[in-house]
Amino acid sequence: NAGVTQTPKFQVLKTGQSMTLQCAQDMNHNSMYWYRQDPGMGLRLIYYSASEGTTDKGEVPNGYNVSRLNKREFSLRLESAAPSQTSVYFCASSEALRDQRRNTIYFGEGSWLTVV
Amino acid sequence: GEDVEQSLFLSVREGDSSVINCTYTDSSSTYLYWYKQEPGAGLQLLTYIFSNMDMKQDQRLTVLLNKKDKHLSLRIADTQTGDSAIYFCAERGYSSASKIIFGSGTRLSIRP
Repeated sequence: NAGVTQTPKFQVLKTGQSMTLQCAQDMNHNSMYWYRQDPGMGLRLIYYSASEGTTDKGEVPNGYNVSRLNKREFSLRLESAAPSQTSVYFCASSEALRDQRRNTIYFGEGSWLTVV
Repeated sequence: GEDVEQSLFLSVREGDSSVINCTYTDSSSTYLYWYKQEPGAGLQLLTYIFSNMDMKQDQRLTVLLNKKDKHLSLRIADTQTGDSAIYFCAERGYSSASKIIFGSGTRLSIRP
């Protein structure tokens, strides 16, 4: 049982390049999330998907797009990378809200992205 | 909007108790969480408390919730060097479908 898997773990991009961060979960969770983590800022929600087929903006969506490809996979795309997007990105998943007792969030190990 | 606040740093002596505090604004919060992040690693769920509870104890960890003041704390008894990490408080509101709000994290450092 791998939990939440995200790739790549490390990436260096030039300004203006595009890339996609991949995320997959094997826990049959309905909800998935992308966060970025910057020093002193904690975790900030970029986008989330409450269920398959839906996506919503979080706190800091500008410069990103997401795709909920199926129930397992939720990808994050940077169309034209900027130095301000240098960060650590975390994918996460949780069960649907209706099941409160098991409603915790599980994280991937993080993707370190540097834009030069 | 919803907000979660916690102090950025805490330093304690090895063997003492650590108390990390957190305040939140969403009165409809149902679950409140504590996550631990060690250097270079992802977030690990430490414990959580449901909003109708006042206290939860799990080995060296004690979570206290004051729902009236919207204040959450995490107490780590007999703090060890392995407890050095960033600790994140997070809350999930009933009205906000599946969205979890995190604090900025408290960096706990241990003095010998």
